[in-house]
Amino acid sequence: QSVLTQPPSVSGAPGQRVTISCTGSSSNIGARAGYEVHWYQQFPGTAPKLLIYSNSNRPSGVPDRFSGSKSGTSASLAITGLQAEDEADYYCQSYDSSLYSLVFGGGTKLTVL
Amino acid sequence: EVQLVESGGGLVKPGGSLRLTCAVSGFTFNNAWMSWVRQAPGKGLEWVGRIKSETDGGTTDYPAPVKGRFTVSRDDSKNTLYLQMNSLKTDDTAVYYCTVNDWIRFDYWGQGVLVTVSS
Repeated sequence: QSVLTQPPSVSGAPGQRVTISCTGSSSNIGARAGYEVHWYQQFPGTAPKLLIYSNSNRPSGVPDRFSGSKSGTSASLAITGLQAEDEADYYCQSYDSSLYSLVFGGGTKLTVL
Repeated sequence: EVQLVESGGGLVKPGGSLRLTCAVSGFTFNNAWMSWVRQAPGKGLEWVGRIKSETDGGTTDYPAPVKGRFTVSRDDSKNTLYLQMNSLKTDDTAVYYCTVNDWIRFDYWGQGVLVTVSS
């Protein structure tokens, strides 16, 4: 059972918009300290890659079709103009002050129909 | 270009030990905080330990499942990160990734190395 909760799977047709939620608690995403949420993309058989950092920022090279947001104890990753190449697993990540631990969501498998 | 290359994985019996190595290049290693993250077959990601830079104290942090069994260390003169794993359990079977930390995020990842704990 992951500390951060993500839907196991989401799907969408090419060109559509999909969102992936990441729900936490007052000891991580919703903490008064404001722990930031980061998102990673992982293709089968490869290492994860940082996709969104500090809630809503994109590293150089990440298309602006990917965006992130955070509100209260939750965060979201949105992908617009869905493309077949976006099919991958997506993980949210933050810090939990009660566990003194860096924590991940369980991951969400995105299928492009 | 940042490069992280893990080695040292393999098959080990329950209760055994293994040391993973991560050779790094392309950035100033001695200023970097470094972590190990693992992924069991077909499962999600799990952080297993971090070491701060020597200038930030060089201290280590671990989550409960591995505390007391795993040790992260570094040799800044060799640009190398280590993960010493003792008292291994079948649940420790996973691909282990070496990562560059920026406090609570993982900026860069190695390609990973497989550790299999089985009798």
